[in-house]
Amino acid sequence: ETGVTQTPRHLVMGMTNKKSLKCEQHLGHNAMYWYKQSAKKPLELMFVYNFKEQTENNSVPSRFSPECPNSSHLFLHLHTLQPEDSALYLCASSQERGPNLYEQYFGPGTRLTVT
Amino acid sequence: ILNVEQSPQSLHVQEGDSTNFTCSFPSSNFYALHWYRWETAKSPEALFVMTLNGDEKKKGRISATLNTKEGYSYLYIKGSQPEDSATYLCARMNYGGSQGNLIFGKGTKLSVKP
Repeated sequence: ETGVTQTPRHLVMGMTNKKSLKCEQHLGHNAMYWYKQSAKKPLELMFVYNFKEQTENNSVPSRFSPECPNSSHLFLHLHTLQPEDSALYLCASSQERGPNLYEQYFGPGTRLTVT
Repeated sequence: ILNVEQSPQSLHVQEGDSTNFTCSFPSSNFYALHWYRWETAKSPEALFVMTLNGDEKKKGRISATLNTKEGYSYLYIKGSQPEDSATYLCARMNYGGSQGNLIFGKGTKLSVKP
């Protein structure tokens, strides 16, 4: 148990559906992240939020829309996805101070399948 | 080196063997190097965060070293146990980049046979 929870754990959706992934951290961290893990590829950073402000968008298609209403919650809204978007989506959080700079605490991930 | 590279891609060892993996990364604009362990069906878990050239860190039977000038880090596991079986990821953070912006390697998958 890392203190970062994600729901749902598994999601199957059609290309015309709209769904949302949810992440919550109970660690008092100020930064939250979305990552994508595709088969045979490294973890890819998608979005970074610091104190609820988006500070990084790594050229992610607009069919992925993040939302960070407060520093404990992070959402990833999905619409008109493509089959190649099927992947494991991981959420993480970190603190900007302390001895372990930006050490990230990961959630268990959402396994997304787009049909 | 443009990306973070890890070798070997996978490794099979017997219980009790000691082993090590390599992480290579661009040395320019270096800020920090992270190591994570990712067990199947679990979340990646941080092992070490290192920033200084020559840094050495240890946690139990696992240790890591860092050379920022030549752009590499080694992870060592002494006396491997079956519970060490996992994928070990390294990630680099650039100086001046967005806070927490990590660039990950593909990982080294370790299997330890009893």
